[in-house]
Amino acid sequence: ELKVEQNPLFLSMQEGKNYTIYCNYSTTSDRLYWYRQDPGKSLESLFVLLSNGAVKQEGRLMASLDTKARLSTLHITAAVHDLSATYFCAVDGFSRNTPLVFGKGTRLSVIA
Amino acid sequence: NAGVTQTPKFQVLKTGQSMTLQCAQDMNHEYMSWYRQDPGMGLRLIHYSVGAGITDQGEVPNGYNVSRSTTEDFPLRLLSAAPSQTSVYFCASQDGGNQPQHFGDGTRLSIL
Repeated sequence: ELKVEQNPLFLSMQEGKNYTIYCNYSTTSDRLYWYRQDPGKSLESLFVLLSNGAVKQEGRLMASLDTKARLSTLHITAAVHDLSATYFCAVDGFSRNTPLVFGKGTRLSVIA
Repeated sequence: NAGVTQTPKFQVLKTGQSMTLQCAQDMNHEYMSWYRQDPGMGLRLIHYSVGAGITDQGEVPNGYNVSRSTTEDFPLRLLSAAPSQTSVYFCASQDGGNQPQHFGDGTRLSIL
């Protein structure tokens, strides 16, 4: 059974600081997704990581995937208030018909 | 571009009532799924479908039914509502291959 674990679950960081959110998963997969959710809103896709060593960047966010370690990271550079949201990672099972399994999410609060 | 459309957006039910949450997508996606989101639990998969006429259970299927008679529609039925089904429900669709899931805006359901 595929399990996905995110940490930390809550993160309060100051503007301008850097931090990393971790996503570990329990079985083989080479497809990992990061989503953002604002309070009371739906989920918005941020990154799709499809192979070992994949790195994607958008603005102050950078995501990477290490399939051998079964680990993805979401790195935040010089945080700004607009990045405050909940971030989810989700992992595809090995076969095409295996649904996505989501982590519990990391609630990020960026404070001045 | 409509994307994934969920109706209703809000609903209050009494214990024992039944209802159907509607989900429609106009992107011709094969894969559709239903999740529930509860505080601190992330997103948990209820049911999913890999194409018209094919459905399967997710992590928390009890108390819910689905059908997929067309590619576009994937309704979720609550057979006899219970307070434990109070939650936010999200429908998502996904194209084949390595694309992210597209989420609807959610249905906020309260069972009294």
